[in-house]
Amino acid sequence: GENVEQHPSTLSVQEGDSAVIKCTYSDSASNYFPWYKQELGKRPQLIIDIRSNVGEKKDQRIAVTLNKTAKHFSLHITETQPEDSAVYFCAATLSGTYKYIFGTGTRLKVLA
Amino acid sequence: GAVVSQHPSWVICKSGTSVKIECRSLDFQATTMFWYRQFPKQSLMLMATSNEGSKATYEQGVEKDKFLINHASLTLSTLTVTSAHPEDSSFYICSGRREGWGDEQFFGPGTRLTVL
Repeated sequence: GENVEQHPSTLSVQEGDSAVIKCTYSDSASNYFPWYKQELGKRPQLIIDIRSNVGEKKDQRIAVTLNKTAKHFSLHITETQPEDSAVYFCAATLSGTYKYIFGTGTRLKVLA
Repeated sequence: GAVVSQHPSWVICKSGTSVKIECRSLDFQATTMFWYRQFPKQSLMLMATSNEGSKATYEQGVEKDKFLINHASLTLSTLTVTSAHPEDSSFYICSGRREGWGDEQFFGPGTRLTVL
């Protein structure tokens, strides 16, 4: 079946540094790619998303890039802060449906 | 935005009993609702998709007779875990999709189920 790979599984950065999380999807017809931040015991919170007809999107310290040819998309967080520490999930829609396939998650730790 | 609630937020039950979890869209009509299960330190795994007024579609490997899903109205979907066992202990999260709002899903706060 279709899947989404996510790397790295854990990431530690110093406060103020940048963090990059990468995902690769298998369904070439996927057209929507959201990124979620999840704190322990809480719901996933949408932080940014991108559609397949766009290559890059930015919202303040957060940006997402999409390479459709390579079927890669990445989350970039600049000027990281301790409150950015959480688990981040990428997802991709399954073509022809509104279903999400989630990546395996990245635990980000921002060290003060 | 669009708000989704779940009830209860946590539940503890004995093995062999059934538990019902409610998922409500508070300020929009959710034509489609999704149910996910998340084990500790793992990702969200889609269990089933439900459309109002029709039978749920279950993902491969999910027992439809064990996880009963009802989507009786555009604002309410329920998940009933029947004959629960300790291995069913997990975090269950629902989401709703609003017609005309594209692909975005709005997530509920989750329900922590512990089966003793």
